[in-house]
Formats: sequence, C-alpha cells, structure tokens
Amino acid sequence: GENVEQHPSTLSVQEGDSAVIKCTYSDSASNYFPWYKQELGKRPQLIIDIRSNVGEKKDQRIAVTLNKTAKHFSLHITETQPEDSAVYFCAARPSGYSTLTFGKGTMLLVSP
Amino acid sequence: NAGVTQTPKFRVLKTGQSMTLLCAQDMNHEYMYWYRQDPGMGLRLIHYSVGEGTTAKGEVPDGYNVSRLKKQNFLLGLESAAPSQTSVYFCASSYGGQETQYFGPGTRLLVL
Repeated sequence: GENVEQHPSTLSVQEGDSAVIKCTYSDSASNYFPWYKQELGKRPQLIIDIRSNVGEKKDQRIAVTLNKTAKHFSLHITETQPEDSAVYFCAARPSGYSTLTFGKGTMLLVSP
Repeated sequence: NAGVTQTPKFRVLKTGQSMTLLCAQDMNHEYMYWYRQDPGMGLRLIHYSVGEGTTAKGEVPDGYNVSRLKKQNFLLGLESAAPSQTSVYFCASSYGGQETQYFGPGTRLLVL
C-alpha cells in the first residue's frame, strides 16, 4: 500500500517568513495530493490540493508543488501569520482508489 | 446544512465496555470514512464505506466494526473497549471516491 513520509515534524518561523513542508510517497500510481490544516482542537480542513497532471498550484499565500519523478510534493506558505499556526497534514491517493494515506503531520508555529 | 456531525463529542469508557459512535452527513455523499488520530501518528483509516450497505477495512480495523444502514449515517462500534483505543475519532465524507473529504468535529474517547 501507499506510504507517506512528512518532514519536518515541527517547524518554527517568525511572522513574515516562509514555511515549507515536504512529503514523499511510495506508490507511483498516486495522482491526488491534498493538504489539510488542523487547528488545535478542531477538525482537519482542506486548504489546497494538486493532481498529477499539474506541477504547481497556488492560492494566495499558499502553494503546492509536485515532482512525480522524485515522488515528492511540498507545501509552501509565504508571509506567514500567527493564524497559520496549526498542524498540517499531507496525503496521497492512488489512481482508482477512494482512500487517502496521510503523513504524520507537521506542527507549524508562527511567532509574532 | 450542518455538514458532517459526530456524536458524542467526548466519552469515557471502562475496559471491556462497548459503545457506538455516530457520524451523520447531510450532503448526500456516497463515501464515508472513520479515522483515528493519535499523537505523532497522523490520521489512520479504520473502516470506510463506498455506499449504503457497503463497508470495507482500512489500515487499522482490528477491534472495530461499522455499519452503513442509511446513506447519511456511518456507525463505528467498539465491542470490547481497550486502553489502546483511547484516541480522537474523526469521521469524513466525500461525494465520490475521487472527491474532497470533509471531516466531522471529532469524538474524543478515553478508555480506562
């Protein structure tokens, strides 16, 4: 089955800096890669996703890049703000499957 | 439109007791999922359903049973609770197998 590794497990940045979270996956058949944000005590919420037919996708301060050859994808957050502090999860889904495999999460702390 | 809801929010069980967690969605979604979240372990899939009357095992199904008698409801049962089942349980649903998963608010379960 699919295996997703996520790094780093914790990330501390100053407000205004950029943050990058990286994930690798094992199944070359995976073609859908969502990112979820989970604030303390809350439910995970989708913030951005990418499919294997594109290499990059942006939404305001958030971007995701995908390298299918190397089987890794990354979340980029620019101009970080304290409200970006949360746990971020990456996930992967093989083509034809309906289940996601999640990474173990990255705790992002943005200090004012 | 309440989205995905879960009942109860919090429960304490003694070892060996049984209980049922209820997940309900009002979005007419076909697919429903049960995950458990443990510190440092990310979200792990317990069971899922691709439609009314169907269920399938996920990554960590042992000790749990599920039922999907109605399209809008997905029940997770613990027949004989163990301390290792102390966790936060999240339900999710999606319109199709290749669509975005939306999460419920979670159920915090403590097994003593």
